[in-house]
Amino acid sequence: ETGVTQTPRHLVMGMTNKKSLKCEQHLGHNAMYWYKQSAKKPLELMFVYNFKEQTENNSVPSRFSPECPNSSHLFLHLHTLQPEDSALYLCASSPFLAGDSYNEQFFGPGTRLTVL
Amino acid sequence: KQEVTQIPAALSVPEGENLVLNCSFTDSAIYNLQWFRQDPGKGLTSLLLIQSSQREQTSGRLNASLDKSSGRSTLYIAASQPGDSATYLCAVSGGADGLTFGKGTHLIIQP
Repeated sequence: ETGVTQTPRHLVMGMTNKKSLKCEQHLGHNAMYWYKQSAKKPLELMFVYNFKEQTENNSVPSRFSPECPNSSHLFLHLHTLQPEDSALYLCASSPFLAGDSYNEQFFGPGTRLTVL
Repeated sequence: KQEVTQIPAALSVPEGENLVLNCSFTDSAIYNLQWFRQDPGKGLTSLLLIQSSQREQTSGRLNASLDKSSGRSTLYIAASQPGDSATYLCAVSGGADGLTFGKGTHLIIQP
C-alpha cells in the first residue's frame, strides 16, 4: 500500500460502544494528524503527533483518545460518543522538518463514523 | 485565532472556462498555504503548496498565488473540465501544528 491508509472506512456504533480508528502512513513521515469534518463546518484539527509525541490537543473531549505507537501508525480510540460526533474523521501525515515551511500534508480517505 | 474564508461557496460554470477561487486568512504569520481537492465522500488530495516566501506555484492547468501581507490566495484553473468538479479547500499552516481550513468552494463544471 502507498500513501496514507485508514481503517475502517465506515463505522456505525452505539453511544456505549468502544471502537478504534486506525491510520497508517507509508511515506516515511514524522508527523501525523487527526482531523474531524462535520457537515457544513470547516475541517477541524483534533490532534498532532511529531516523532510520536503529542504536540497539540485542540480542546478535544476526553471521549476521543489518540495513540501513536510509532511514526507510521496512529489510532483514535472512541468511547461513550454522542450522536453529534458523527462525522468524517481524516488522518494526515507530513515530513515535519522543524523550521521548514515545506511541510506538505497528505491525507487518507477517512473513516465515516455514525453514532446512533 | 486564525480564520480562513473562501469565496465563493459554490460555483457552476460551463466547460472550457477559466476560473478563480479565492481564499483569505486573518493572520499573516503563516508557514505555508495548501490547496486541496475533495471529491464527495472522499479524503483530500493535495494540489499545490505555497511556502510563505513564495508568490505562486503552478501544476498543469492550476496556478496558485499568495499575497501574504494582505492575507490572500487565489487558485486559478485554466480551461476547466467536468473532471474538475469537486470541493476545493484552502488551508494555512502556522508552523509546528496542523492546518486551519476554510469551508471550501463547491465547483461544478457543466459539460
